[in-house]
Amino acid sequence: ETGVTQSPTHLIKTRGQQVTLRCSSQSGHNTVSWYQQALGQGPQFIFQYYREEENGRGNFPPRFSGLQFPNYSSELNVNALELDDSALYLCASRRGASVEAFFGQGTRLTVV
Amino acid sequence: AQTVTQSQPEMSVQEAETVTLSCTYDTSENNYYLFWYKQPPSRQMILVIRQEAYKQQNATENRFSVNFQKAAKSFSLKISDSQLGDTAMYFCAFRLNYGGSQGNLIFGKGTKLSVKP
Repeated sequence: ETGVTQSPTHLIKTRGQQVTLRCSSQSGHNTVSWYQQALGQGPQFIFQYYREEENGRGNFPPRFSGLQFPNYSSELNVNALELDDSALYLCASRRGASVEAFFGQGTRLTVV
Repeated sequence: AQTVTQSQPEMSVQEAETVTLSCTYDTSENNYYLFWYKQPPSRQMILVIRQEAYKQQNATENRFSVNFQKAAKSFSLKISDSQLGDTAMYFCAFRLNYGGSQGNLIFGKGTKLSVKP
């Protein structure tokens, strides 16, 4: 049991809307990363937070933003949703620079 | 930039048999980790096995083992005594051995493994 939980599990939004996805990290894990997994593809890195600061970002536009809170839980916000944003969004947490990252079960976002 | 390639979109194996999933990667770095993750229909990524690049010995975890060929940049996964519960998507992933912004995982496109009774 990894202890990383994501909410909601499924979500349907309309193009142009905004969405917030949430991740509760495993206890003691101060690093959280978000990934986008399109259908039939491997996950792609969106960004990473360490102790409430973004310290890494993949090739995603600024309308993808995030937050990490003092308890190390995290949010992923996506503005001006596009149809191509439909995907599974995965959160992964780890302690500092430790090797193993633990994943949540993901949020399936559908944009119509 | 680092890349990970999995050339087998789908594979199948009979229960109790052995199957090998292939993965190649490209990097100019020398200090990194390689992973195999399993993603069942429940969607949660589960770490199967990992390999530190500085270790010459191939990693083994019960029925799972890897063949790590650093010079060839190859990292295959062998599953012995396949079980029905092994049916899942398998992703090969790469990570530099740095903290901060370089600590993210780079995934291949995955191999869908079906274990048949």
